[in-house]
Amino acid sequence: DGGITQSPKYLFRKEGQNVTLSCEQNLNHDAMYWYRQDPGQGLRLIYYSQIVNDFQKGDIAEGYSVSREKKESFPLTVTSAQKNPTAFYLCASSIVGGGYTFGSGTRLTVV
Amino acid sequence: QKEVEQDPGPLSVPEGAIVSLNCTYSNSAFQYFMWYRQYSRKGPELLMYTYSSGNKEDGRFTAQVDKSSKYISLFIRDSQPSDSATYLCAMSARSGTYKYIFGTGTRLKVLA
Repeated sequence: DGGITQSPKYLFRKEGQNVTLSCEQNLNHDAMYWYRQDPGQGLRLIYYSQIVNDFQKGDIAEGYSVSREKKESFPLTVTSAQKNPTAFYLCASSIVGGGYTFGSGTRLTVV
Repeated sequence: QKEVEQDPGPLSVPEGAIVSLNCTYSNSAFQYFMWYRQYSRKGPELLMYTYSSGNKEDGRFTAQVDKSSKYISLFIRDSQPSDSATYLCAMSARSGTYKYIFGTGTRLKVLA
């Protein structure tokens, strides 16, 4: 079955560490996205990519980095520069002009 | 003022009730609208996708768009406890866009 797989489901980060969240899709969608979800703030766009080897910053890109070396994969790195990384992270994909298909999310906690 | 506004709830209704969930927006250029359902600790799933004004029905769900009032609604008929979730609206101005603006979500509880 086609879909989006995010891993891990739960992730714990120590102060000063970089961590990478995985996102893989087998829907043959061109576009992929990373959103952050915090209580009372809804979904905020971190980065998005329309094609391989190209990506754009969203509204809250500071402290995050991405790569898009393959159509199927769009990993997100949360760097030590992100001062408040505890949140629920959602990856999504879409065709042009279509609705998003979301993964099941990764809950990141700073310890 | 946020571009998209949603009442956060929670909205509690008895089983079998008709539920009305709403979003207002400020950008008159929006013409593509979506509704998502999100269960706790899960990713959102697409329920309805509509273009411009009018109604769209799918089973127990009806999406309504009133562009003159900048107001969209999702109606759920014969609500079930399994409908208890957070409902997010999302909207965009352009065809072929990759970016949608999301509301903060309304939490719905359907009581058995």
